[in-house]
Amino acid sequence: GEDVEQSLFLSVREGDSSVINCTYTDSSSTYLYWYKQEPGAGLQLLTYIFSNMDMKQDQRLTVLLNKKDKHLSLRIADTQTGDSAIYFCAEGKPQAGTALIFGKGTTLSVSS
Amino acid sequence: GAVVSQHPSRVICKSGTSVKIECRSLDFQATTMFWYRQFPKQSLMLMATSNEGSKATYEQGVEKDKFLINHASLTLSTLTVTSAHPEDSSFYICSAPGLAGGLGDTQYFGPGTRLTVL
Repeated sequence: GEDVEQSLFLSVREGDSSVINCTYTDSSSTYLYWYKQEPGAGLQLLTYIFSNMDMKQDQRLTVLLNKKDKHLSLRIADTQTGDSAIYFCAEGKPQAGTALIFGKGTTLSVSS
Repeated sequence: GAVVSQHPSRVICKSGTSVKIECRSLDFQATTMFWYRQFPKQSLMLMATSNEGSKATYEQGVEKDKFLINHASLTLSTLTVTSAHPEDSSFYICSAPGLAGGLGDTQYFGPGTRLTVL
């Protein structure tokens, strides 16, 4: 079945860049997403990328997609302590009306 | 933008009681809604797909008689945890896909309901 894998932890210093990696298995996924979850809170959509794109940049966030290798990454520039959270990678086919498949989440810890 | 609400945000109940959680799409219609469950420090696991006007589709291993889903209208789905036990304590999150077109790119998630069963 479909699977999404992420590294579980990442620790960076404030001001550095963070790169969170994700791999997925369903080549028919049309959209790939990054969600942020702060402690005790719901999911916040950070950004998403359509599968025929290689890169998407939105302010401090850069998403890179290597469709051949089924590899997705999220780069956060100038990481701040407020960026500390769990980041989930997800894949989906919204036009099919199906649920998203989530990775286990990467806990980002930012130290000052 | 599209908004999905959930009510209640937090509930504590005694073992053996039933708890109803509501999921509403506030400014768009959703013929389909999804219910997820998240245990502490774990990912979201899809429990079931709620379909307006028809029966819900449950994922393997999810007891349909324990987790009753009713999708009564195009903007409301409810999840009832029947005879709740401590092992049902979890964070329950619903989502609704955006409509085709401008909102069709993603799903919109509710803020979640934290259920604690004593």
